[in-house]
Amino acid sequence: RKEVEQDPGPFNVPEGATVAFNCTYSNSASQSFFWYRQDCRKEPKLLMSVYSSGNEDGRFTAQLNRASQYISLLIRDSKLSDSATYLCVVNRYHDSGTYKYIFGTGTRLKVLA
Amino acid sequence: ETGVTQSPTHLIKTRGQQVTLRCSSQSGHNTVSWYQQALGQGPQFIFQYYREEENGRGNFPPRFSGLQFPNYSSELNVNALELDDSALYLCASSSISGPYEQYFGPGTRLTVT
Repeated sequence: RKEVEQDPGPFNVPEGATVAFNCTYSNSASQSFFWYRQDCRKEPKLLMSVYSSGNEDGRFTAQLNRASQYISLLIRDSKLSDSATYLCVVNRYHDSGTYKYIFGTGTRLKVLA
Repeated sequence: ETGVTQSPTHLIKTRGQQVTLRCSSQSGHNTVSWYQQALGQGPQFIFQYYREEENGRGNFPPRFSGLQFPNYSSELNVNALELDDSALYLCASSSISGPYEQYFGPGTRLTVT
């Protein structure tokens, strides 16, 4: 079982739709959480950090449930430009006082005109 | 843009050769992490450098090694290349003291034939 699990999709949604992605993580020592966006053959770009209180940035809302070890991303009013792979990332203690990022395999989103 | 740069952008090597990839971190960041991303997978943590020393390592063999320089730039060296080393190699810079967001360079696409 992978430490960070995501549904790989693809999610094909019409423009204007609301879409939600979920992610679960298995290590309860995980400290911080992020969503990254990755376009085809490009580097991951930070979309947003995820906090227990939930946070919103425009059309994007992220939620963290530490008890269930679950992270979500909601995209409202989808745009064609939202088409990308969305990577769930967990930052946890590794060893020797360091932390490391653990990535999910990503969820592919395609927004259709 | 993140300010993280990598070189070269593409590289083709043959099995058994050695390769060096380079990364310049974002201004103000003192930590560099390296990742390997195979097609269709999320990035996998190789190692992290802080204060010119390896500061955490993932499940990669010793033929993957690195350096960090006083200006925080870094190199990834891979010896005895194998076909499975073909991947996108990403470096990410961050600050050891937080926040823990990592910012990625554009990556080096390595093909081993």
